[in-house]
Amino acid sequence: TQLLEQSPQFLSIQEGENLTVYCNSSSVFSSLQWYRQEPGEGPVLLVTVVTGGEVKKLKRLTFQFGDARKDSSLHITAAQTGDTGLYLCAGGSGAGSYQLTFGKGTKLSVIP
Amino acid sequence: DAGVTQSPTHLIKTRGQQVTLRCSPISGHKSVSWYQQVLGQGPQFIFQYYEKEERGRGNFPDRFSARQFPNYSSELNVNALLLGDSALYLCASSLVAGNQPQHFGDGTRLSIL
Repeated sequence: TQLLEQSPQFLSIQEGENLTVYCNSSSVFSSLQWYRQEPGEGPVLLVTVVTGGEVKKLKRLTFQFGDARKDSSLHITAAQTGDTGLYLCAGGSGAGSYQLTFGKGTKLSVIP
Repeated sequence: DAGVTQSPTHLIKTRGQQVTLRCSPISGHKSVSWYQQVLGQGPQFIFQYYEKEERGRGNFPDRFSARQFPNYSSELNVNALLLGDSALYLCASSLVAGNQPQHFGDGTRLSIL
């Protein structure tokens, strides 16, 4: 069974601060997706990373896929209150796999 | 374009009852997946359907079943409801099958009394 562990589980920071959340596994994934989920809504896809060492930027968000494709990180620069939400990582195992494995998420609160 | 739509948004049932949840994918998406999200956890994969055929099944008991219709909409059925089935049930669609990036609906909140 493939597992994804996310840390920290909870994070509360002041507006304007930087933060990094992590997604780790002992298994290799063919791709890793990051989602943000707000209360009462479904997860919304932020980015997909597929190549070991890949870095993708989405405005103030920077995503990195580990060289061995077992881990990923999400860095937010100058957090804003609109960044508040549950950040989920999800891994895909590759061809022939139909299952996305999700971590438990990091619940981020950005305080004004 | 409309996103993934799910109905109902909320549902209250008692133990032992049966429930049917419905999902309409994004237009043009042929794959529908179902996930269960218990409070404080990430979504857990239940099923994936593509072109009306089951392509993947997660570690859920046989009380859980699903089907996909010719218009690619889908239903999730859960029989003999248990208290532990209380959760947010999410439907997601994608263009093709596999572990593609998913477009999620806002879910059905199922509460079992």
